[in-house]
Amino acid sequence: GQQVMQIPQYQHVQEGEDFTTYCNSSTTLSNIQWYKQRPGGHPVFLIQLVKSGEVKKQKRLTFQFGEAKKNSSLHITATQTTDVGTYFCAERMEYGNKLVFGAGTILRVKS
Amino acid sequence: SAVISQKPSRDICQRGTSLTIQCQVDSQVTMMFWYRQQPGQSLTLIATANQGSEATYESGFVIDKFPISRPNLTFSTLTVSNMSPEDSSIYLCSSGRIYNEQFFGPGTRLTVL
Repeated sequence: GQQVMQIPQYQHVQEGEDFTTYCNSSTTLSNIQWYKQRPGGHPVFLIQLVKSGEVKKQKRLTFQFGEAKKNSSLHITATQTTDVGTYFCAERMEYGNKLVFGAGTILRVKS
Repeated sequence: SAVISQKPSRDICQRGTSLTIQCQVDSQVTMMFWYRQQPGQSLTLIATANQGSEATYESGFVIDKFPISRPNLTFSTLTVSNMSPEDSSIYLCSSGRIYNEQFFGPGTRLTVL
């Protein structure tokens, strides 16, 4: 079945440093969604990308969808301690609307 | 957005017993889903809860083990049957409108002894 690979598995950064997580697929993705899960919390929707080459920004977060729609990235500029958590990418399947999640990237921020 | 509540928030159960988890959404939604998240892992879809018909299960999940009900557009239950320690996990329900984002409940943390 369709799989979305996500790297890195884990990243520990100093506060103020940048952070990037990547999702890759061997097949064309119809769309990509990003979620954030705080420790002990539940996933919270961040963004959905659907167009080839799309770039969206939310304050310090920049989301990109590759030209071939086979990869996506989430970049955080100047991380803060409030950014800690696990970031998941997910493809929303056109049939049934279900989500197929990547493995997630755990972000820890040292202050 | 939708606000989703789940009950119970956590439970500790003995092997061989069953637990029913409830999910309530504050508005009528088309889609409701049940996910499992094992410790330190990603989310895996168990099934789509269909209103008025049987749930649609993903590969590796069966109705006898995870019976699901959805009597109306705002409520669903997931039962974890004949539990074993391998069923220890967080169970999350979600809802959303087609083509859009999903909103997740706070999860039910299940420990099976």
